[in-house]
Amino acid sequence: GESVGLHLPTLSVQEGDNSIINCAYSNSASDYFIWYKQESGKGPQFIIDIRSNMDKRQGQRVTVLLNKTVKHLSLQIAATQPGDSAVYFCAENGGGFKTIFGAGTRLFVKA
Amino acid sequence: EAGVAQSPRYKIIEKRQSVAFWCNPISGHATLYWYQQILGQGPKLLIQFQNNGVVDDSQLPKDRFSAERLKGVDSTLKIQPAKLEDSAVYLCASSLGPDRGRYEQYFGPGTRLTVT
Repeated sequence: GESVGLHLPTLSVQEGDNSIINCAYSNSASDYFIWYKQESGKGPQFIIDIRSNMDKRQGQRVTVLLNKTVKHLSLQIAATQPGDSAVYFCAENGGGFKTIFGAGTRLFVKA
Repeated sequence: EAGVAQSPRYKIIEKRQSVAFWCNPISGHATLYWYQQILGQGPKLLIQFQNNGVVDDSQLPKDRFSAERLKGVDSTLKIQPAKLEDSAVYLCASSLGPDRGRYEQYFGPGTRLTVT
C-alpha cells in the first residue's frame, strides 16, 4: 500500500554542521512532497515543498532533493542550529486531496 | 495573518465520556483537516473537508467519531464514547486547497486528549 517512511528515526549533529534527513516513499503516483518541522508541544510547521517535476528546491538554509528513480526524498539543513532541534516529517500528496505523513525523524543538535 | 486556532489545548476525560474539539482555520482556506497524532508517530488523517463537504473520512472511526464543518469555516470533532486508545493529540490544519493549487498545510497547536 501507500507509505511514506524515514530511514533514520533519530539524528544527532553538531551545531554548525549540515544535517541530512532522508525519506522513502512508495507511491510512484505522488506528485507533491512536503517537509514539516514539529517542535515539542506544537503543531507541524511547513518548511519546504517540491513537485515531482523538480529534482531540487532551495529555501533559506534548507534544500530538498527528490530522486524519483529510487523514490527518495531528502532534507538538507545547512549550518544546523540549536533551534533546528525538532521532529521532521516528510509527507506525500497523491494528487489533490490526500496527504500521507511519515513517522518522523528526531533531530538533536549538540552545542 | 492569524494562524489556525484550536480549543481546548488540553482535555482529560474518563473512558466512555464524550469530548468535542473546535478548530478555526486560516481565513480563506478552503480545505480543513483533522489529524490524530499518537506519541512518537506521524499525524494520521481522520477527516478532510473541502469547504463544507467531506472529501476523505476513510480513517475516521465512524462508530464513535464525528466531525462537521458548518458554513465551510469552523469545524468541530467529537468523540462519543471515548476509549483509552483515543489518548492522543488532535491536530487541525488548513490549506488553500487544490482549487488554488496549494497543498501546504498550516497546523494549529493541537488538543492533547488524555482518556483515563
